[in-house]
Amino acid sequence: DAMVIQNPRYQVTQFGKPVTLSCSQTLNHNVMYWYQQKSSQAPKLLFHYYDKDFNNEADTPDNFQSRRPNTSFCFLDIRSPGLGDAAMYLCATSRGELEQETQYFGPGTRLLVL
Amino acid sequence: KNQVEQSPQSLIILEGKNCTLQCNYTVSPFSNLRWYKQDTGRGPVSLTIMTFSENTKSNGRYTATLDADTKQSSLHITASQLSDSASYICVVSSGGSQGNLIFGKGTKLSVKP
Repeated sequence: DAMVIQNPRYQVTQFGKPVTLSCSQTLNHNVMYWYQQKSSQAPKLLFHYYDKDFNNEADTPDNFQSRRPNTSFCFLDIRSPGLGDAAMYLCATSRGELEQETQYFGPGTRLLVL
Repeated sequence: KNQVEQSPQSLIILEGKNCTLQCNYTVSPFSNLRWYKQDTGRGPVSLTIMTFSENTKSNGRYTATLDADTKQSSLHITASQLSDSASYICVVSSGGSQGNLIFGKGTKLSVKP
């Protein structure tokens, strides 16, 4: 089945230790997104790629970086995780960038920072 | 400021009962409104999407309504099942690109046997 896959589902890291979260998709969608969702809060868009074009949200901390080496994969790199970065990280895809396109979400990676 | 407010914050109902979740928004311009279901520890899954001209849309036991004049939407769940226990998130698009999606904080629904 076509889907959005995130690995790992749970990630534990130490304060300040770089961590990479992975997302892959078999939908062949052009757009991939990374969201941060803290407990009982709405998902917050960090950045998205339209194909290879990177779009960073204005309030996304510099600590967060992303790579999209090909259509299928997108990575979220957190260079120096702080305690406040503990959250669920959601990857999503959409066929196009227009607002009427539905986003398809992966199951998320829950990050714990010790 | 573009905002999406959902109520109630949480809701407990008995299996088989109906319920209605509310979404009020102040997003302008308005393009469309989506309802997502998010199971605990999972990513959101799209239930419905409505544009300005649509008043109601159904997806099985889920029926969403939209009043673009009052900027209100509701999600009605009929004959609730235990599997309906989840957070329901209202998302409004202000047009342009997908980067203009405004997410509500969600309503956490618990269906008890």
